[in-house]
Amino acid sequence: GDSVTQMEGPVTLSEEAFLTINCTYTATGYPSLFWYVQYPGEGLQLLLKATKADDKGSNKGFEATYRKETTSFHLEKGSVQVSDSAVYFCALSDPLIQGAQKLVFGQGTRLTINP
Amino acid sequence: EPEVTQTPSHQVTQMGQEVILRCVPISNHLYFYWYRQILGQKVEFLVSFYNNEISEKSEIFDDQFSVERPDGSNFTLKIRSTKLEDSAMYFCASRGRPLWGGAGYNEQFFGPGTRLTVL
Repeated sequence: GDSVTQMEGPVTLSEEAFLTINCTYTATGYPSLFWYVQYPGEGLQLLLKATKADDKGSNKGFEATYRKETTSFHLEKGSVQVSDSAVYFCALSDPLIQGAQKLVFGQGTRLTINP
Repeated sequence: EPEVTQTPSHQVTQMGQEVILRCVPISNHLYFYWYRQILGQKVEFLVSFYNNEISEKSEIFDDQFSVERPDGSNFTLKIRSTKLEDSAMYFCASRGRPLWGGAGYNEQFFGPGTRLTVL
Protein backbone atom coordinates (compact mmCIF):
# COMPACT_ATOMS: atom_id res chain seq x y z
CA GLY A 1 0.00 0.00 0.00
CA ASP A 2 0.87 3.66 -0.10
CA SER A 3 3.32 4.94 2.50
CA VAL A 4 5.28 8.04 3.49
CA THR A 5 8.66 8.14 5.22
CA GLN A 6 10.05 11.24 6.89
CA MET A 7 13.41 11.96 8.37
CA GLU A 8 13.72 11.13 12.02
CA GLY A 9 13.35 13.92 14.49
CA PRO A 10 13.51 15.88 16.60
CA VAL A 11 15.27 18.64 14.71
CA THR A 12 16.68 21.59 16.62
CA LEU A 13 17.99 24.68 14.81
CA SER A 14 18.94 28.22 15.59
CA GLU A 15 16.87 31.10 14.31
CA GLU A 16 17.67 32.06 10.68
CA ALA A 17 19.16 28.65 9.93
CA PHE A 18 18.30 26.74 6.76
CA LEU A 19 15.79 23.94 7.17
CA THR A 20 15.36 20.72 5.24
CA ILE A 21 12.98 17.95 6.28
CA ASN A 22 13.20 14.95 4.00
CA CYS A 23 10.13 13.06 2.81
CA THR A 24 9.90 10.13 0.42
CA TYR A 25 6.83 8.22 -0.63
CA THR A 26 5.65 4.97 -2.14
CA ALA A 27 2.41 4.97 -4.10
CA THR A 28 0.71 2.76 -6.62
CA GLY A 29 -0.90 5.67 -8.41
CA TYR A 30 0.03 9.26 -9.08
CA PRO A 31 -0.51 10.93 -5.71
CA SER A 32 -0.94 14.48 -4.59
CA LEU A 33 1.58 15.45 -1.92
CA PHE A 34 1.16 17.65 1.12
CA TRP A 35 2.92 19.11 4.09
CA TYR A 36 0.79 19.63 7.19
CA VAL A 37 1.89 21.50 10.31
CA GLN A 38 0.73 20.96 13.88
CA TYR A 39 1.50 23.75 16.31
CA PRO A 40 1.52 22.93 20.03
CA GLY A 41 -1.97 22.18 21.28
CA GLU A 42 -3.58 22.63 17.88
CA GLY A 43 -4.88 20.51 15.03
CA LEU A 44 -3.45 19.92 11.59
CA GLN A 45 -3.12 22.78 9.14
CA LEU A 46 -2.27 22.42 5.49
CA LEU A 47 1.05 24.16 4.87
CA LEU A 48 1.54 23.49 1.16
CA LYS A 49 0.71 21.04 -1.58
CA ALA A 50 1.72 19.81 -5.04
CA THR A 51 -0.44 17.77 -7.35
CA LYS A 52 1.88 16.81 -10.21
CA ALA A 53 5.52 16.18 -10.97
CA ASP A 54 7.83 19.21 -10.79
CA ASP A 55 5.15 21.31 -9.11
CA LYS A 56 6.52 23.48 -6.32
CA GLY A 57 4.27 24.15 -3.37
CA SER A 58 5.06 27.20 -1.27
CA ASN A 59 3.63 29.04 1.71
CA LYS A 60 4.99 31.19 4.56
CA GLY A 61 8.52 30.89 3.17
CA PHE A 62 8.38 27.09 3.05
CA GLU A 63 8.81 25.25 -0.25
CA ALA A 64 8.65 21.68 -1.47
CA THR A 65 9.04 20.31 -4.99
CA TYR A 66 7.31 17.15 -6.22
CA ARG A 67 10.10 14.93 -7.58
CA LYS A 68 8.65 11.91 -9.29
CA GLU A 69 12.02 10.49 -10.30
CA THR A 70 13.19 10.30 -6.69
CA THR A 71 9.67 9.93 -5.17
CA SER A 72 10.45 12.78 -2.82
CA PHE A 73 8.83 15.94 -1.49
CA HIS A 74 11.40 17.55 0.81
CA LEU A 75 10.38 20.59 2.83
CA GLU A 76 12.75 23.58 2.86
CA LYS A 77 12.90 27.03 4.35
CA GLY A 78 15.76 29.45 3.92
CA SER A 79 15.57 31.18 7.30
CA VAL A 80 13.54 29.69 10.12
CA GLN A 81 11.92 31.59 12.96
CA VAL A 82 11.06 30.64 16.51
CA SER A 83 7.40 30.66 15.48
CA ASP A 84 8.10 27.78 13.05
CA SER A 85 8.52 25.42 15.99
CA ALA A 86 5.94 22.69 15.40
CA VAL A 87 5.50 19.14 14.18
CA TYR A 88 5.56 18.75 10.40
CA PHE A 89 3.82 15.90 8.61
CA CYS A 90 4.35 14.85 5.04
CA ALA A 91 1.29 13.18 3.49
CA LEU A 92 -0.09 11.85 0.25
CA SER A 93 -3.46 11.24 -1.29
CA ASP A 94 -4.14 9.34 -4.46
CA PRO A 95 -6.86 11.18 -6.38
CA LEU A 96 -7.03 8.60 -9.14
CA ILE A 97 -8.36 5.98 -6.80
CA GLN A 98 -12.10 6.44 -6.83
CA GLY A 99 -13.44 6.93 -3.38
CA ALA A 100 -12.41 8.73 -0.29
CA GLN A 101 -8.91 9.99 -1.12
CA LYS A 102 -7.72 9.32 2.38
CA LEU A 103 -4.52 10.96 3.53
CA VAL A 104 -1.55 8.77 4.35
CA PHE A 105 0.82 10.50 6.77
CA GLY A 106 4.45 10.16 7.60
CA GLN A 107 5.51 9.82 11.21
CA GLY A 108 6.02 13.55 11.72
CA THR A 109 9.15 15.58 12.46
CA ARG A 110 9.27 17.76 15.54
CA LEU A 111 11.08 21.02 14.82
CA THR A 112 12.36 23.31 17.56
CA ILE A 113 13.86 26.69 16.73
CA ASN A 114 15.99 28.37 19.38
CA PRO A 115 16.39 32.16 19.51
CA GLU B 1 -13.72 31.61 7.17
CA PRO B 2 -15.54 28.28 7.47
CA GLU B 3 -13.96 25.72 9.75
CA VAL B 4 -14.45 22.22 11.09
CA THR B 5 -15.40 22.12 14.77
CA GLN B 6 -15.17 19.25 17.22
CA THR B 7 -16.62 18.63 20.66
CA PRO B 8 -15.60 17.97 23.32
CA SER B 9 -12.01 19.12 23.24
CA HIS B 10 -11.12 16.57 25.91
CA GLN B 11 -13.04 13.44 26.95
CA VAL B 12 -12.08 11.25 29.88
CA THR B 13 -13.80 7.90 30.21
CA GLN B 14 -13.51 4.58 31.98
CA MET B 15 -12.48 1.47 30.08
CA GLY B 16 -15.50 -0.32 28.70
CA GLN B 17 -17.64 2.79 28.46
CA GLU B 18 -19.15 4.13 25.25
CA VAL B 19 -18.05 7.49 23.92
CA ILE B 20 -19.34 9.65 21.11
CA LEU B 21 -17.08 12.22 19.53
CA ARG B 22 -18.81 14.96 17.60
CA CYS B 23 -17.80 16.96 14.59
CA VAL B 24 -19.45 19.68 12.56
CA PRO B 25 -17.89 19.65 9.07
CA ILE B 26 -17.78 22.63 6.79
CA SER B 27 -21.19 23.31 5.33
CA ASN B 28 -21.64 21.95 1.76
CA HIS B 29 -18.72 19.55 2.10
CA LEU B 30 -19.49 16.04 0.93
CA TYR B 31 -16.71 13.82 2.23
CA PHE B 32 -16.01 13.24 5.92
CA TYR B 33 -13.16 11.55 7.71
CA TRP B 34 -11.90 10.48 11.09
CA TYR B 35 -8.22 10.14 11.87
CA ARG B 36 -6.47 9.45 15.11
CA GLN B 37 -3.06 10.23 16.55
CA ILE B 38 -1.74 8.27 19.47
CA LEU B 39 0.57 10.47 21.53
CA GLY B 40 3.90 10.88 19.78
CA GLN B 41 2.93 8.77 16.80
CA LYS B 42 1.77 9.36 13.26
CA VAL B 43 -1.70 10.42 12.24
CA GLU B 44 -3.66 7.35 11.10
CA PHE B 45 -6.72 7.14 8.89
CA LEU B 46 -9.74 5.51 10.48
CA VAL B 47 -12.71 5.93 8.17
CA SER B 48 -14.20 7.96 5.38
CA PHE B 49 -17.88 8.67 4.81
CA TYR B 50 -19.69 9.79 1.68
CA ASN B 51 -23.29 9.78 0.57
CA ASN B 52 -24.43 8.48 3.96
CA GLU B 53 -22.25 5.42 3.98
CA ILE B 54 -18.71 4.36 4.78
CA SER B 55 -16.56 4.54 1.67
CA GLU B 56 -13.35 3.21 3.17
CA LYS B 57 -12.12 2.08 6.57
CA SER B 58 -8.81 0.99 7.99
CA GLU B 59 -7.93 -2.12 9.97
CA ILE B 60 -8.17 -0.03 13.14
CA PHE B 61 -11.85 0.63 12.50
CA ASP B 62 -13.24 -2.61 13.88
CA ASP B 63 -16.72 -3.50 15.12
CA GLN B 64 -16.25 -1.31 18.20
CA PHE B 65 -16.30 1.78 16.01
CA SER B 66 -19.18 3.32 14.11
CA VAL B 67 -19.87 6.61 12.36
CA GLU B 68 -23.05 8.45 11.71
CA ARG B 69 -24.32 11.60 10.15
CA PRO B 70 -27.54 11.94 12.13
CA ASP B 71 -28.62 15.23 10.60
CA GLY B 72 -27.43 17.65 7.99
CA SER B 73 -24.62 19.09 10.06
CA ASN B 74 -23.12 16.64 12.55
CA PHE B 75 -20.75 13.75 11.95
CA THR B 76 -20.09 11.44 14.89
CA LEU B 77 -17.64 8.72 15.83
CA LYS B 78 -18.84 6.21 18.41
CA ILE B 79 -16.63 3.79 20.28
CA ARG B 80 -18.87 1.20 21.91
CA SER B 81 -16.56 -0.22 24.57
CA THR B 82 -13.41 1.78 25.00
CA LYS B 83 -10.04 0.20 25.59
CA LEU B 84 -6.91 1.75 27.08
CA GLU B 85 -5.29 1.72 23.64
CA ASP B 86 -8.08 3.93 22.26
CA SER B 87 -6.52 6.86 24.12
CA ALA B 88 -5.52 9.27 21.38
CA MET B 89 -6.30 12.55 19.69
CA TYR B 90 -9.15 12.09 17.22
CA PHE B 91 -9.36 14.44 14.27
CA CYS B 92 -12.34 15.01 12.05
CA ALA B 93 -11.86 16.32 8.52
CA SER B 94 -14.11 17.26 5.63
CA ARG B 95 -13.66 17.83 1.92
CA GLY B 96 -15.78 19.45 -0.74
CA ARG B 97 -16.71 18.38 -4.23
CA PRO B 98 -13.72 17.55 -6.47
CA LEU B 99 -12.47 20.50 -8.49
CA TRP B 100 -13.07 18.62 -11.71
CA GLY B 101 -15.31 15.74 -12.61
CA GLY B 102 -14.92 12.46 -10.76
CA ALA B 103 -11.37 12.33 -9.43
CA GLY B 104 -8.97 15.16 -8.75
CA TYR B 105 -7.46 16.75 -5.73
CA ASN B 106 -9.12 19.01 -3.24
CA GLU B 107 -8.13 19.83 0.28
CA GLN B 108 -9.21 18.15 3.48
CA PHE B 109 -9.87 20.59 6.30
CA PHE B 110 -9.17 19.36 9.81
CA GLY B 111 -10.83 20.15 13.08
CA PRO B 112 -8.83 20.92 16.25
CA GLY B 113 -9.27 17.40 17.58
CA THR B 114 -10.74 15.67 20.62
CA ARG B 115 -8.31 14.22 23.10
CA LEU B 116 -9.73 10.94 24.39
CA THR B 117 -8.29 9.55 27.60
CA VAL B 118 -9.36 6.05 28.63
CA LEU B 119 -8.63 5.14 32.25
